Amino acid sequence: KAGVTQTPRYLIKTRGQQVTLSCSPISGHRSVSWYQQTPGQGLQFLFEYFSETQRNKGNFPGRFSGRQFSNSRSEMNVSTLELGDSALYLCASQGGAYEQYFGPGTRLTVT
Amino acid sequence: AQSVAQPEDQVNVAEGNPLTVKCTYSVSGNPYLFWYVQYPNRGLQFLLKYITGDNLVKGSYGFEAEFNKSQTSFHLKKPSALVSDSALYFCAVRGQGGGGNKLTFGTGTQLKVEL
Repeated sequence: KAGVTQTPRYLIKTRGQQVTLSCSPISGHRSVSWYQQTPGQGLQFLFEYFSETQRNKGNFPGRFSGRQFSNSRSEMNVSTLELGDSALYLCASQGGAYEQYFGPGTRLTVT
Repeated sequence: AQSVAQPEDQVNVAEGNPLTVKCTYSVSGNPYLFWYVQYPNRGLQFLLKYITGDNLVKGSYGFEAEFNKSQTSFHLKKPSALVSDSALYFCAVRGQGGGGNKLTFGTGTQLKVEL
């Protein structure tokens, strides 16, 4: 099976802009979670989608949003970018087993 | 609330020696516990998990971990370290109650294996 794919792999944006990141889960996996990784805060949970519904949400401002499509692909959007949003954004998918499988991440740099 | 502590930022070990990376957790009810490894500029790679049953679980690349409920610990171990094991290791926990698949991660431990 193909793994979790994330596009794009690298992004450079300017403060105030918005960005959309995409994640394709492993075939058959219906749960997709998003995490933010930064040197200062470590790995933090953003949100989880299951069958097109947000099931869990982390402690992030409303500028961070997401959605999931009927084919389980997911997108996350960050509006009005701030310098502190610079991070590695990781997507993970989960099927019937207990573990999550992570994609390679999207490295977002905000200047 | 759930939390994970990895008390060591870095662990240094000589190749061929046993290694231990420590992890303690806090969660309501019974835990699901995981270890992941991250190589530079890569995503997280699943190593092993504890769900229920035998306290010693075996995973990929010769790694194993021991679940200790009384000490709320889940230390990662390997009998003989390799230079290629050098990477960043994360412990993660999720409660067994309902509410989805949110994982809470520790801060990570950098493992350095030297010749």
